[in-house]
Amino acid sequence: DAKTTQPNSMESNEEEPVHLPCNHSTISGTDYIHWYRQLPSQGPEYVIHGLTSNVNNRMASLAIAEDRKSSTLILHRATLRDAAVYYCILRRGAQKLVFGQGTRLTINP
Amino acid sequence: ETGVTQTPRHLVMGMTNKKSLKCEQHLGHNAMYWYKQSAKKPLELMFVYNFKEQTENNSVPSRFSPECPNSSHLFLHLHTLQPEDSALYLCASSQDFAGTDTQYFGPGTRLTVL
Repeated sequence: DAKTTQPNSMESNEEEPVHLPCNHSTISGTDYIHWYRQLPSQGPEYVIHGLTSNVNNRMASLAIAEDRKSSTLILHRATLRDAAVYYCILRRGAQKLVFGQGTRLTINP
Repeated sequence: ETGVTQTPRHLVMGMTNKKSLKCEQHLGHNAMYWYKQSAKKPLELMFVYNFKEQTENNSVPSRFSPECPNSSHLFLHLHTLQPEDSALYLCASSQDFAGTDTQYFGPGTRLTVL
């Protein structure tokens, strides 16, 4: 499985944008980049995924580097409810999701 | 509410007990999963079922026994567990196995083995 590297923790303020980085230098051409998050006392939930182009949905945006060796999850206006552990995962075809340690995001009021 | 429910939400059992965890998905999905999340460790995939057939067993000890009677229900039968089996057990489902398939997780069962 191709590996991802994320900072252990990040901190931001409420109503400010948050940029969560992920490095995946060994990504292959068919690997999709998935982001999930896990709120306290809950199971993980899907946030967004992409292959090559930047992606937007109601929760977040995903910016993918041109060489695909890194990506950034962007929360445009963080709220206290966005405090969670964010996981960046590479997935190829029918491979299983492999969760790492993720980034613990703290939002200050 | 993700459409995946798990019962019970909390379970305390002794090492000689037998118990079962239940998962139900209301999403019409074909694939279901059991994960284990121990304290300060990443989620670990335990079992995968696709169309009721087990397609993956990640070297899970036999004291954990999964059962998938239909595409909507998944059970994890537990017997003679060890204290180190205490963890959050999460169930998930997805439409199929494609690389873009989103997995929907339940809230988990917090298991404590005494």
